[in-house]
Amino acid sequence: QQQVKQSPQSLIVQKGGISIINCAYENTAFDYFPWYQQFPGKGPALLIAIRPDVSEKKEGRFTISFNKSAKQFSLHIMDSQPGDSATYFCAPTSGSRLTFGEGTQLTVNP
Amino acid sequence: GAGVSQSPRYKVAKRGQDVALRCDPISGHVSLFWYQQALGQGPEFLTYFQNEAQLDKSGLPSDRFFAERPEGSVSTLKIQRTQQEDSAVYLCASSFNRADTIYFGEGSWLTVV
Repeated sequence: QQQVKQSPQSLIVQKGGISIINCAYENTAFDYFPWYQQFPGKGPALLIAIRPDVSEKKEGRFTISFNKSAKQFSLHIMDSQPGDSATYFCAPTSGSRLTFGEGTQLTVNP
Repeated sequence: GAGVSQSPRYKVAKRGQDVALRCDPISGHVSLFWYQQALGQGPEFLTYFQNEAQLDKSGLPSDRFFAERPEGSVSTLKIQRTQQEDSAVYLCASSFNRADTIYFGEGSWLTVV
């Protein structure tokens, strides 16, 4: 997992705030850049993903920003809600093989 | 079923015991994956099937780990002579095809004592 570095490890934000999680990777063969959300006792679920031919993708309150030259991509959660409290993983992909980061535990306080 | 189904959800094994973990993928999904998730870590790739063919098993940590999908649907992950370091959640995932969205099951929690 050393080829994918995720930060921060944990994040606490207030309801309505912006949550930002970053992911840096080394493998230039990655061709698909998803973020997964995982609740305790559940499997990861795809939240949002981006292909390397675009620099930004927005779906509702969730936005991915992608910087190919820097080999980084980030997740922005606008208007964060207590229900967003979960662990978030970046999982850049080569072929169909996901390489997960170590996760960011997000807590949104009411 | 509506999602990826895994059984058992929880398994406690004595060190040295063999275990078998079952995965029922979403109906019609060609691709099936196994991942291992240690406590507090991200999932790590174990193996990948396309139909009944095991195309990538490079993530299996040792020859004690074996996976099969004989008819291209249900898959079984077998761990022989379990060790304490095998304690983890074993996640199964499936997708319609190689490039499609990957859906994860809730995992099988293995504890080796």
